[in-house]
Amino acid sequence: AQKVTQAQTEISVVEKEDVTLDCVYETRDTTYYLFWYKQPPSGELVFLIRRNSFDEQNEISGRYSWNFQKSTSSFNFTITASQVVDSAVYFCAPFKGGKLIFGQGTELSVKP
Amino acid sequence: SQTIHQWPATLVQPVGSPLSLECTVEGTSNPNLYWYRQAAGRGLQLLFYSVGIGQISSEVPQNLSASRPQDRQFILSSKKLLLSDSGFYLCALKPQSKTYEQYFGPGTRLTVT
Repeated sequence: AQKVTQAQTEISVVEKEDVTLDCVYETRDTTYYLFWYKQPPSGELVFLIRRNSFDEQNEISGRYSWNFQKSTSSFNFTITASQVVDSAVYFCAPFKGGKLIFGQGTELSVKP
Repeated sequence: SQTIHQWPATLVQPVGSPLSLECTVEGTSNPNLYWYRQAAGRGLQLLFYSVGIGQISSEVPQNLSASRPQDRQFILSSKKLLLSDSGFYLCALKPQSKTYEQYFGPGTRLTVT
């Protein structure tokens, strides 16, 4: 059975700190896709990134970076120099059986 | 690019009353459409998805139903609401041009009293 775990329920940082959000996806599948979504206070989910299980290269987009390690089933998301606007709930979501399976999310609070 | 509209944005309904939430999309044809519910505690649950007009798949048993009368219209309904139906309802689409990515609408916050 597949299981996605976001162990950090809430994280609070001060602006300009770096912060890493953890995601572990336990599966026996050898090929899969993983997504990260951001849900700001307005509620709408915003697609951030999709990664393939066969591509373990880190990806960087501005202040965002993602580290995927298949050996540990982890797909971690790092925000560098966090800003107040980064405050949101972040979801990790593997794609399985034609649908996204959402983790419970990590609520990030960035204080000024 | 595609746009997703949901209405109403917020809704307060008494227990036992009917429900109709509407989702319409623009800028894409023949998308896959999805209804999710997010209850308190944040987890998102897939309720229904549709790969085409009149084609509905239900993910969980419940007193809700979905319909897709037009390619770009997806409706979530209930004949009699329960307290447990309260939550944040999100409509999402997957464009035909994309393999997996889903894009979400602004959501409807439903409170059943």
